[in-house]
Amino acid sequence: EPEVTQTPSHQVTQMGQEVILRCVPISNHLYFYWYRQILGQKVEFLVSFYNNEISEKSEIFDDQFSVERPDGSNFTLKIRSTKLEDSAMYFCASSPPFVYEQYFGPGTRLTVT
Amino acid sequence: AQSVTQLDSQVPVFEEAPVELRCNYSSSVSVYLFWYVQYPNQGLQLLLKYLSGSTLVESINGFEAEFNKSQTSFHLRKPSVHISDTAEYFCAVMDSSYKLIFGSGTRLLVRP
Repeated sequence: EPEVTQTPSHQVTQMGQEVILRCVPISNHLYFYWYRQILGQKVEFLVSFYNNEISEKSEIFDDQFSVERPDGSNFTLKIRSTKLEDSAMYFCASSPPFVYEQYFGPGTRLTVT
Repeated sequence: AQSVTQLDSQVPVFEEAPVELRCNYSSSVSVYLFWYVQYPNQGLQLLLKYLSGSTLVESINGFEAEFNKSQTSFHLRKPSVHISDTAEYFCAVMDSSYKLIFGSGTRLLVRP
């Protein structure tokens, strides 16, 4: 069964550094999402992406964040200058057209020191 | 704004006992509701969903949830749990822009 994959599984970075989290959505899906979960808190929506542009973004998704679909398979989340409070589990999700289900990847745990 | 409330942060239960995980939502529009499960060190897996039609929905592993519009609830139930059901369970509502809004999660701890 096709799955959403994410790399790396765990990323440790220093405050102020740039990080890129990578996701490979399921191949025939057209809608892509990033969510994050700070330890002990709710899963929160960050951004949705369709047709090579951002559909919606949350208040969390400020100028330090960006998303890109550089080729036909990858979907990336970039944080330009990481802060301690960016430490969280980041989940990528995708969904096919006309279906309300979102399929989640296993997550990338980002630790900012 | 839509929101989801899961009142129980942890539910301990003995194996083979029934369980109910509570979920209440607030929404002023058509409601699409989901339960996701997260096993230790894994991602979120869709357990079941309510989009329309029958208010009782079932999963392949024995869980069921009932959409109750008057009580704005979507509680998850299982008549007999197994050790392997130990996981975190998240209730979510899809808003009008198709993003998911999650509750804070309930940790189900099944004891032998």
